[in-house]
Amino acid sequence: GESVGLHLPTLSVQEGDNSIINCAYSNSASDYFIWYKQESGKGPQFIIDIRSNMDKRQGQRVTVLLNKTVKHLSLQIAATQPGDSAVYFCAEYNAGNMLTFGGGTRLMVKP
Amino acid sequence: DVKVTQSSRYLVKRTGEKVFLECVQDMDHENMFWYRQDPGLGLRLIYFSYDVKMKEKGDIPEGYSVSREKKERFSLILESASTNQTSMYLCASSFGGRALHFGNGTRLTVT
Repeated sequence: GESVGLHLPTLSVQEGDNSIINCAYSNSASDYFIWYKQESGKGPQFIIDIRSNMDKRQGQRVTVLLNKTVKHLSLQIAATQPGDSAVYFCAEYNAGNMLTFGGGTRLMVKP
Repeated sequence: DVKVTQSSRYLVKRTGEKVFLECVQDMDHENMFWYRQDPGLGLRLIYFSYDVKMKEKGDIPEGYSVSREKKERFSLILESASTNQTSMYLCASSFGGRALHFGNGTRLTVT
């Protein structure tokens, strides 16, 4: 998939608003999903994960939703802050127990 | 917190040089990985290791080798650096089939 740098889908939100970042995955046999955040000049940072036996999982200001029927994953960030500006990746563990990264989305938070 | 440390943030090497990228993790993780990250191409797996002295090829192993003599350390070797190996290199570790934890990357420039 495409990732960090040029031609990334970009989501621009106002500070304080909620953000929703979406990801479609391809393998219906995938059973574990992860969201990563990557700030400029840093490595990807684990945010939250979810197993396929769950539909929703909440962390601090973040919620991950999993819709297995349509193979869709979303990350919701509540009360988005300037520090949330980054590229966000989803990743799935496939049947071969290897991690596959989806395309990233750049989140830009406007003050 | 898991800490994955890559020895250099920036490296500049000449074509034909032998280059060593070092990575150390402090959480006794079994699994370690090397990725490269390029704009528009995303994260691509070079090599990984499930145990000491074990190594497996990833998606793009050509031009690279690895060494894992100790559980906490995983080295990536460019036998003869070429300009197309200019990239951001990311090391990661994990326990079992769980989320990867990444270092902050080494930006390598080959001139």
